[in-house]
Amino acid sequence: AQSVAQPEDQVNVAEGNPLTVKCTYSVSGNPYLFWYVQYPNRGLQFLLKYITGDNLVKGSYGFEAEFNKSQTSFHLKKPSALVSDSALYFCAVRDPYSGAGSYQLTFGKGTKLSVIP
Amino acid sequence: DAEITQSPRHKITETGRQVTLACHQTWNHNNMFWYRQDLGHGLRLIHYSYGVHDTNKGEVSDGYSVSRSNTEDLPLTLESAASSQTSVYFCASSPTSYEQYFGPGTRLTVT
Repeated sequence: AQSVAQPEDQVNVAEGNPLTVKCTYSVSGNPYLFWYVQYPNRGLQFLLKYITGDNLVKGSYGFEAEFNKSQTSFHLKKPSALVSDSALYFCAVRDPYSGAGSYQLTFGKGTKLSVIP
Repeated sequence: DAEITQSPRHKITETGRQVTLACHQTWNHNNMFWYRQDLGHGLRLIHYSYGVHDTNKGEVSDGYSVSRSNTEDLPLTLESAASSQTSVYFCASSPTSYEQYFGPGTRLTVT
């Protein structure tokens, strides 16, 4: 079974500082990994994904994430946080070898990011 | 522009009533999904479909049903609404096995 953990319910960072939102995963094979962002009263927006290849993936709004297979992690990062980055962030994993249900995503519980002016 | 819409955006209903939440996408995606979002649980998969007439149960399917009669729509039905089904419901679709695209959500309150 696939699972995702986001160990921090909330992350606070000062505007202009680098930010990291942590994610670890568990799958039986090589994972597909995703980050989504949710602004208040909105649906989830896709930020970036890792499928294969370069461990550092770049996404929307200046975000990037690093896939680390040995640590089973996929942390979301941004070099300089903006107040407008304040939102709820979800990590998700898919095990592409899990058979008939293999298109399913399993989501973490979310991390609330607050960027302080 | 192609999009995914959900209706209604807000719904209040009484315990025991049947409720149907609509999801419509104009991307012509084969794959569609319903999730519920609850504090402390993140998103949990209710039902999903990989094409017309295909439906599958997700992690929390009890008390819910879906039907897929065309590519564009995947309505979610609560057969007999319960207070435990008060939640925010999201529909999503995807063209491939990769990322999913989400609708704006429906906030359902069961009193």
